[in-house]
Amino acid sequence: GAGVSQSPSNKVTEKGKDVELRCDPISGHTALYWYRQRLGQGLEFLIYFQGNSAPDKSGLPSDRFSAERTGESVSTLTIQRTQQEDSAVYLCASSLTMDSDSPLHFGNGTRLTVT
Amino acid sequence: AQKITQTQPGMFVQEKEAVTLDCTYDTSDPSYGLFWYKQPSSGEMIFLIYQGSYDQQNATEGRYSLNFQKARKSANLVISASQLGDSAMYFCAMRERVTGGGNKLTFGTGTQLKVEL
Repeated sequence: GAGVSQSPSNKVTEKGKDVELRCDPISGHTALYWYRQRLGQGLEFLIYFQGNSAPDKSGLPSDRFSAERTGESVSTLTIQRTQQEDSAVYLCASSLTMDSDSPLHFGNGTRLTVT
Repeated sequence: AQKITQTQPGMFVQEKEAVTLDCTYDTSDPSYGLFWYKQPSSGEMIFLIYQGSYDQQNATEGRYSLNFQKARKSANLVISASQLGDSAMYFCAMRERVTGGGNKLTFGTGTQLKVEL
């Protein structure tokens, strides 16, 4: 596709439910990143994928958060037993390579609201 | 630890004027990349400009230029001839290495720019 696509764009869920967020990166981009942005704040790094591998999971806030990527393409971020503090915009980004000069291209995000 | 500091939570500029958004960074890596992103109220993150740590010249991209002062560890964004559409949040970010041989962007807290008539 032309850009990074995320779905759903908005998700309202009840506390305690599980949610799954999807990211379709730009075709051919090897690196994929998940960030979280709380209202009025900066971007908080969650996890990155190099191909289908996630070498560093230390940014995930708790063990309720998990992510996977398949076929060096689509990635899903799963939040189990959602809490109100999980409410945020979840942004996915991809880059062509892992080189330091390769910019990240972001999707429009999924706005998650936990009631 | 590496970090990015943006000390201006909000800035105002008049249309057609130039504005400088400050960014300082801290890293012990000799090789790094610095990025600026724009986030309008719609929420999308738009890549503006990149500066590599070994680049000899300041990066420019249309009305955007980066005032890179390596010794001072600053990478200020200059927007010339401001337009109303420039009103947005601006984030400075640095590419840093992470476990596994990869890297990630670490973002500053952002500067909210408002362009006025």
